[in-house]
Amino acid sequence: DAKTTQPPSMDCAEGRAANLPCNHSTISGNEYVYWYRQIHSQGPQYIIHGLKNNETNEMASLIITEDRKSSTLILPHATLRDTAVYYCIVRVAEGGGGADGLTFGKGTHLIIQP
Amino acid sequence: KAGVTQTPRYLIKTRGQQVTLSCSPISGHRSVSWYQQTPGQGLQFLFEYFSETQRNKGNFPGRFSGRQFSNSRSEMNVSTLELGDSALYLCASSPGTSGRDTQYFGPGTRLTVL
Repeated sequence: DAKTTQPPSMDCAEGRAANLPCNHSTISGNEYVYWYRQIHSQGPQYIIHGLKNNETNEMASLIITEDRKSSTLILPHATLRDTAVYYCIVRVAEGGGGADGLTFGKGTHLIIQP
Repeated sequence: KAGVTQTPRYLIKTRGQQVTLSCSPISGHRSVSWYQQTPGQGLQFLFEYFSETQRNKGNFPGRFSGRQFSNSRSEMNVSTLELGDSALYLCASSPGTSGRDTQYFGPGTRLTVL
């Protein structure tokens, strides 16, 4: 799986949009971009994933650049409960099965300020 | 639908002992993956089970083993515990039939080795 680069930490004011960048310049055509977050000492929580089109769900939006070399996770109205470590992961997602292990980097520690 | 459950949530053992951790996947999910999280190494993939067979394996010594039962519940065992095995052990479940399956994590078991 390709590697990702994320800033180690970011601050965001409560109520504002939090924009978390991820660089994945070596991503292959068959690799998806996944985002998870982990609140202190809890299990990682799935947020969203996408291949090349922008995606939106009830938690967040995912914007993937046209060349797919980077993406941005957007939390539209950040709350204090969004303080967590956010992981951007790229993984091959083809074929009929085989849940290869997710490769987690160090992620971005997002701190929402009141 | 109930999420992934792990038992016990906390465990204290001494060096040389062995330990068994349990994971119950989301109903209908047939794949269970195990991860170890430590402050130094981050989140690392241990192995994945599907239909009672180990399908993928990370780079861990043979002291780490697992199994899966016909109801998809999984256990992992660590023998001859070392101080460095102190970690948060996470399991994740997915349907397991497609490489695009999203993995959903449990709350983890915090193991402390004294």
